[in-house]
This record gives sequence, C-alpha cells and structure tokens, in this order.
Amino acid sequence: EAQVTQNPRYLITVTGKKLTVTCSQNMNHEYMSWYRQDPGLGLRQIYYSMNVEVTDKGDVPEGYKVSRKEKRNFPLILESPSPNQTSLYFCASSLFAGAYEQYFGPGTRLTVT
Amino acid sequence: KNQVEQSPQSLIILEGKNCTLQCNYTVSPFSNLRWYKQDTGRGPVSLTIMTFSENTKSNGRYTATLDADTKQSSLHITASQLSDSASYICVVSARNQAGTALIFGKGTTLSVSS
Repeated sequence: EAQVTQNPRYLITVTGKKLTVTCSQNMNHEYMSWYRQDPGLGLRQIYYSMNVEVTDKGDVPEGYKVSRKEKRNFPLILESPSPNQTSLYFCASSLFAGAYEQYFGPGTRLTVT
Repeated sequence: KNQVEQSPQSLIILEGKNCTLQCNYTVSPFSNLRWYKQDTGRGPVSLTIMTFSENTKSNGRYTATLDADTKQSSLHITASQLSDSASYICVVSARNQAGTALIFGKGTTLSVSS
C-alpha cells in the first residue's frame, strides 16, 4: 500500500531532550516536506526536500533540523525542544515539487513540558 | 506578501444541502491551487489540483473552480453527507528560486448535521 508513515504518533517529552520524528514513504517520491499545525494558524511548512541531500527552509525552520540521506526517509530532528514546539506535525511527499498530488502522513502529536 | 484567505471560517449545514467554500489569494508567481480535506486528527487528503489554465475540476461531489484573473477559487460540495464534516484547506503554490513554495490557508471547518 502506498503510504507515508510517521513515528512516533504521540510523544511527550521534556524541554531540552533531543528527539527525532521519523518519516518514510514507499512511493519513490522526490519531494518531501514537514509541517506543523497549530490551532488558529493552520499548516505551516518547516522544511522541505526536493531530492536526496537537497533540503531547504520553509516558513518556520527555527529549532528544527532535517536530513535526506535516502530518498524514502526524511527525519525531523529537534535538538533542544521547547514548549513552543508543542504541536501536531505532518510529513508529506509528492512525486516532484509542483502540481503533483501531495500525500500526508498520519501526524505526530508532540507535547514538550 | 503571499497570502491565502479562506471564508467562511466555519459553516454548519444540514445533510443533503449544497455549500460553497471560498479561497482568495495574493500569491505570485502563481503555479497551482489545491484543495485538501482534513478529518479531525488526521493528515490532509488531496481533493483537487488546478493549474493556471484550468477553470474547473471535479472529484465526485466536490467541484473546484479557479478564476486566475480575480485570484479566487471556490469549492462546491453537492448533496452533503455527514462524512463531509471536516476542515477544508486551500493551498496555493508559488514558483520561487528554490523551486516552489506552498502557502496554506487556515481552512474552513464544515459541520454537516442530520
């Protein structure tokens, strides 16, 4: 089944403890992206990747890192999480950037205390 | 500044009725416009994608229109069902030096009641 998977789905952590949220897609997509969704603010793009080893900042990249060493994986790294990073996170992929359908993962709900 | 505005913010309709959601954008240079449906707690699912040359695109009971001159789009839902209760998000893609940028609207929350 073609899909985007994220792990973990739920995570509660403490300020400053490094964490990684994994994202994997099995559709051989070139383009992958991370978003956060907060009430009243909608979806905001954190980072995106046009291809392996090619990543770029989105609208809200501060406090986050990403890597794209393989086409299928695009992990999101929070080196020192803070409470303002408490949010619902979505990974997404599409064949290429542009007018291609984007597939979203199921989401990761992160709480930083 | 690139922006996407959606209206109304929320909407309640009776099952079986039709409704129309609006999306106005100030995005340049325009690449394409997408409508997504997002059920509570789940990832968005694509409904339609329209490029500059497309005026109308349908997906079952969902019909999206695009007026590139006035920079407006609408999503019309026909014969609504309880399962249509969700948030509907308009996303406009802009071409930039890095490739493309996606500008998200804040969504319209639709509630369909019986």
